[in-house]
Amino acid sequence: DTAVSQTPKYLVTQMGNDKSIKCEQNLGHDTMYWYKQDSKKFLKIMFSYNNKELIINETVPNRFSPKSPDKAHLNLHINSLELGDSAVYFCASSPGNTKGDGYTFGSGTRLTVV
Amino acid sequence: AQTVTQSQPEMSVQEAETVTLSCTYDTSESDYYLFWYKQPPSRQMILVIRQEAYKQQNATENRFSVNFQKAAKSFSLKISDSQLGDAAMYFCAAKSSGDKLTFGTGTRLAVRP
Repeated sequence: DTAVSQTPKYLVTQMGNDKSIKCEQNLGHDTMYWYKQDSKKFLKIMFSYNNKELIINETVPNRFSPKSPDKAHLNLHINSLELGDSAVYFCASSPGNTKGDGYTFGSGTRLTVV
Repeated sequence: AQTVTQSQPEMSVQEAETVTLSCTYDTSESDYYLFWYKQPPSRQMILVIRQEAYKQQNATENRFSVNFQKAAKSFSLKISDSQLGDAAMYFCAAKSSGDKLTFGTGTRLAVRP
């Protein structure tokens, strides 16, 4: 059983399109996150949700909108895709109770905008 | 806010030997955790080891151990008896209040057979 699953694993789309990436965790964790990994492998947090409530919203263009229908799901919708959005997007989850909780990551979604 | 710095973009080690990856961090908080994550070519992020700032004893997980120097804000990862499967990107990360895991820029480790 995959603990944190993302779909799709690969996404190739044209500029200007709207796309969504889905994430589901079966660990019973309360907190979920979206991270972006750029071409230089740098990982930066975008959003975090705790039990469906937005907790962290970093400086991200408002074309990116997270949606959490329940605490096991955190989807990422991207409007009007741009070339610079090409990256690997990781979903992650954690129990969220203590600072010592590490994150469990999904396998990532490689988004390529052409 | 916290920052994490990894000054070695690439490292190389001979199979069966030992290698140390460097990491420094900065945080104004007294209660924080430090982590090392491994990212092999499969892209999966794997937690290797974690260290609580309040614990003086260095964490160890099988062949992986850390050298935590709190005063120097240094958190290096030592890999003993390196194996081909250890080849990957290694990320140092820190977490304090706000539950945000902040990553360094990563070190690419190559293992020579």
